[in-house]
Amino acid sequence: EDKVVQSPLSLVVHEGDTVTLNCSYEVTNFRSLLWYKQEKKAPTFLFMLTSSGIEKKSGRLSSILDKKELFSILNITATQTGDSAVYLCAPAYSGTYKYIFGTGTRLKVLA
Amino acid sequence: DAGVTQSPTHLIKTRGQHVTLRCSPISGHKSVSWYQQVLGQGPQFIFQYYEKEERGRGNFPDRFSARQFPNYSSELNVNALLLGDSALYLCASSLGGQGNQPQHFGDGTRLSIL
Repeated sequence: EDKVVQSPLSLVVHEGDTVTLNCSYEVTNFRSLLWYKQEKKAPTFLFMLTSSGIEKKSGRLSSILDKKELFSILNITATQTGDSAVYLCAPAYSGTYKYIFGTGTRLKVLA
Repeated sequence: DAGVTQSPTHLIKTRGQHVTLRCSPISGHKSVSWYQQVLGQGPQFIFQYYEKEERGRGNFPDRFSARQFPNYSSELNVNALLLGDSALYLCASSLGGQGNQPQHFGDGTRLSIL
């Protein structure tokens, strides 16, 4: 059965800290893995990863995929209160837009 | 440019009723997917439509149905509503239908069943 496990489930840090969020998956016909940030409503797209070992970066956020070990990590450096959100990872099946979302990691950044 | 728009934003129904949720994708996007998100969980895939054809279906009962129109907008219909259908219903759109571009989500419709 396809599954996605995110850890930790929740995390509380102080501004300026660095955090690492984990996503492990077992998905048949895997094509890509996506990370989203969800604050109140719409999940906002962060990264799409298709190749192992290639780090994607956007400002203070970065992510990498390991297709052999079936996991991905999302790093956030110098955290800010605006980073407080639920971070969702979603492996996608080849040939479709069927994503399997994890339950997410709830990050709270304290000032 | 407008993002994905969904209507209504909130809806209250009673058990047994029927509901229709609407979604307009980003201009130029031809694929629309629907997800159900209950509190504390990630979104669960319901349907994907591309070029007006159903391309994927999740593990939801036949009470759930959808369609895509020639202008690529979409409707999600749910019949015989149950209390467990209370959730945030998210629509997402993307350029193509093969999963090689990211999906972009709307703000969702919050459905409450009394």
